[in-house]
Amino acid sequence: QKEVEQNSGPLSVPEGAIASLNCTYSDRGSQSFFWYRQYSGKSPELIMSIYSNGDKEDGRFTAQLNKASQYVSLLIRDSQPSDSATYLCAVTPFTSKLIFGQGTELSVKP
Amino acid sequence: EAQVTQNPRYLITVTGKKLTVTCSQNMNHEYMSWYRQDPGLGLRQIYYSMNVEVTDKGDVPEGYKVSRKEKRNFPLILESPSPNQTSLYFCASSPRIDQPQHFGDGTRLSIL
Repeated sequence: QKEVEQNSGPLSVPEGAIASLNCTYSDRGSQSFFWYRQYSGKSPELIMSIYSNGDKEDGRFTAQLNKASQYVSLLIRDSQPSDSATYLCAVTPFTSKLIFGQGTELSVKP
Repeated sequence: EAQVTQNPRYLITVTGKKLTVTCSQNMNHEYMSWYRQDPGLGLRQIYYSMNVEVTDKGDVPEGYKVSRKEKRNFPLILESPSPNQTSLYFCASSPRIDQPQHFGDGTRLSIL
């Protein structure tokens, strides 16, 4: 089992729809969870960080964390073509590493 | 401006010729890390450093060396590069491991 798993996609949604991105992790001791967005050929940029169970909202983005089920998700409301990118889930297990999932490619169609 | 600066951005070189990719951050961050990104494999951690003079291996350290003599700098050294080290490399830093990392713009290395 991979330490951090994401559906590779591509996930295609129409403009204005809600995009739902999911991530599961294997280390129950994980404490910190991050979502990054990466455009092709560019560096990852932070979208959201979440540390406790529940929802965290920032504009059109909502991160959801469920430690009991070991998953973290990212919802993007009112998706725009500019949201088309690869979304990376990253988790800090009970070590000094940061583990990334392979990323989910999102395509928002006008 | 807070930033992580990597140099060079692009490099084409030949097998066996030692090279160094520099990384510098101006945010006084304690944690720094190197990643490589390959199609289908995602971002994989090469080495990380919790603070000055403290470094440790990530998931794919073979063929790489690092040093952390100063807080702001964390160079990645390829002593004898091989074609399987052709990749896109990112340096990143954060105040601590449990806080979001700031990434440099990346270095695209091609080893012929």
